[in-house]
Amino acid sequence: GQNIDQPTEMTATEGAIVQINCTYQTSGFNGLFWYQQHAGEAPTFLSYNVLDGLEEKGRFSSFLSRSKGYSYLLLKELQMKDSASYLCSPVNYGGSQGNLIFGKGTKLSVKP
Amino acid sequence: DGGITQSPKYLFRKEGQNVTLSCEQNLNHDAMYWYRQDPGQGLRLIYYSQIVNDFQKGDIAEGYSVSREKKESFPLTVTSAQKNPTAFYLCASSIEPTGGELFFGEGSRLTVL
Repeated sequence: GQNIDQPTEMTATEGAIVQINCTYQTSGFNGLFWYQQHAGEAPTFLSYNVLDGLEEKGRFSSFLSRSKGYSYLLLKELQMKDSASYLCSPVNYGGSQGNLIFGKGTKLSVKP
Repeated sequence: DGGITQSPKYLFRKEGQNVTLSCEQNLNHDAMYWYRQDPGQGLRLIYYSQIVNDFQKGDIAEGYSVSREKKESFPLTVTSAQKNPTAFYLCASSIEPTGGELFFGEGSRLTVL
């Protein structure tokens, strides 16, 4: 089956670091995407990991461990504009969803 | 500029009426998708199309229909058979038909009165 687990909500302070975890169980895994979605808007691409390890892109980094079915998104130097939902999306070949499945998202609130 | 255009952005419909949401892309992508998003929920796939004149049902296709007569267009019809159609609908496309980065439209918010 397919199962993705992310925390529902998180709160952090401006300037701090926050880590959003995602665990998944899929068959035919072939990489994992993270998207950012501001309220009422469309998701936008943040990162893609296909190999184990850490991918860094400015203030955002994403980590993947395929053997553990685990990924995290790390946000540094938090800004108020980072308040959004973060969606974990493994690529699942052979699944029923066009090979892309989504977690329910983690709503991050950044406080002053 | 290339992108995906959805229309209308907001739509109100009476119960029992069909409504069609438009999705057009000029990115030359083969694959297109329709997702539904409810408050506090992730994206759930309604239909997807990996190539012109072909499409597959997603997990929640009941009460919806699509067509893919042109590469750039993938309209979604919400029929009266859809029991709870009020939602935020997102259209997306990707270069890779087998799963790749999704480019999303701005969404259409449908409210059934």
